[in-house]
Amino acid sequence: SQQGEEDPQALSIQEGENATMNCSYKTSINNLQWYRQNSGRGLVHLILIRSNEREKHSGRLRVTLDTSKKSSSLLITASRAADTASYFCAPSNYGGATNKLIFGTGTLLAVQP
Amino acid sequence: KAGVTQTPRYLIKTRGQQVTLSCSPISGHRSVSWYQQTPGQGLQFLFEYFSETQRNKGNFPGRFSGRQFSNSRSEMNVSTLELGDSALYLCASSPRTDNTGELFFGEGSRLTVL
Repeated sequence: SQQGEEDPQALSIQEGENATMNCSYKTSINNLQWYRQNSGRGLVHLILIRSNEREKHSGRLRVTLDTSKKSSSLLITASRAADTASYFCAPSNYGGATNKLIFGTGTLLAVQP
Repeated sequence: KAGVTQTPRYLIKTRGQQVTLSCSPISGHRSVSWYQQTPGQGLQFLFEYFSETQRNKGNFPGRFSGRQFSNSRSEMNVSTLELGDSALYLCASSPRTDNTGELFFGEGSRLTVL
C-alpha cells in the first residue's frame, strides 16, 4: 500500500454547505478507501472505490476517482455539525496477503452550526 | 454483531514501565492490525497478524511487540515506556487478507506516559 495525501489540511464550512476534500497518490492502485475519525475515536470506513470505478455514492457522500491524475475526491453534501471529523484516504494495491493501509495526515473538517 | 473491542480504553503509566493492550476482533475476522496515532506522526502502522502469525511489521523499535491467539484476539505490548509512546493505539480487524475490503476499527486505547 502507499500513502495518500489529503488536501486541504483543514476546512471550515457552515452547516448545509458542501464539503470537498481531495486525495492524491503516487503509483497505480486497485482500490482507494475513505475513513472518518471523530476526535479521539476509532476510524470508521466510509466508502471503497475500485480502480475501474469513476464515481460512487453512499447517502450524502460522493467519491470520485481519476486514475489518470492519481487523485480522488470526497464530497459531503448538505453537511451537518455531526460531520465534523478528520477524513483520511487510503490508496491500496493488492500486494500480497496483507491488509496494511498507510494513512496520510487527513483533512480536518469543521462544520459550524 | 459486536464490533472490535479494545481494552483498556484509557491508561496512565510512568516511564520505564510496560503496558499490554488487548484487542478482540469482530467474530469471524482473522486479520488484526495495530496502529499508533500521535499528533506529531499521525497514524502509523505497527503490525498485522493473521492466524497467529505476524505478516507485517511497521518501523517501530523492538520494544513494541504483539501476538495473536488462536481465537484471533490480539495483544500488543510496549516495554520500557518512553514519553513519546503516549498515543492512541488503534486495532482493526478484517475478514479479508488482501486489502480488498474495509478495516473495522476499535475505539482505541489511550495511553499516557508520565
